[in-house]
Amino acid sequence: KAGVTQTPRYLIKTRGQQVTLSCSPISGHRSVSWYQQTPGQGLQFLFEYFSETQRNKGNFPGRFSGRQFSNSRSEMNVSTLELGDSALYLCASSLEGSSTDTQYFGPGTRLTVL
Amino acid sequence: QKEVEQNSGPLSVPEGAIASLNCTYSDRGSQSFFWYRQYSGKSPELIMSIYSNGDKEDGRFTAQLNKASQYVSLLIRDSQPSDSATYLCAVKGSNYKLTFGKGTLLTVNP
Repeated sequence: KAGVTQTPRYLIKTRGQQVTLSCSPISGHRSVSWYQQTPGQGLQFLFEYFSETQRNKGNFPGRFSGRQFSNSRSEMNVSTLELGDSALYLCASSLEGSSTDTQYFGPGTRLTVL
Repeated sequence: QKEVEQNSGPLSVPEGAIASLNCTYSDRGSQSFFWYRQYSGKSPELIMSIYSNGDKEDGRFTAQLNKASQYVSLLIRDSQPSDSATYLCAVKGSNYKLTFGKGTLLTVNP
């Protein structure tokens, strides 16, 4: 099976712009989670989608949003970019997001905000 | 209070030694525990998962879980230079949300 794919792999944006990142889960996986990774804060949970519904949400401002499509592909959007949004954004998929499901990570999108 | 805590390291061990990585968590309702390895510039990859108290072995890796003490550890036997990476402890809480520690940087010296 193909793994989790994320596009684009690298992005450079300026403050105030918005950005959309895409994630395609492993075939058959219906749960998609998004994380932000920075050197100072580590891996922080953004949100999780299952069957096109947001099931869990982390402590991020409303500028961060996401959605999931009927084929389980997911997008996340960050509006009004700030310098502090520069990070590696990771998507992870699992079968159903149950307590024992394992999450498998994509290669990430490296976002740089200038 | 941090939800998942790990020693940040760096932890340095000689080749062939046992590396011991530790993690504590605050949510007593946590159900599942995972260890991921992350090489520099790469995404995390799963090494082990453990769900019940005790030890779980997979090759050179042993995960240990003690729910009463809210403690999970990872032992790496016969450490190799290729094991040099950041090890992330992840805990799935009662709300099914996966929370990561900040990771322990392990260096295995030849």
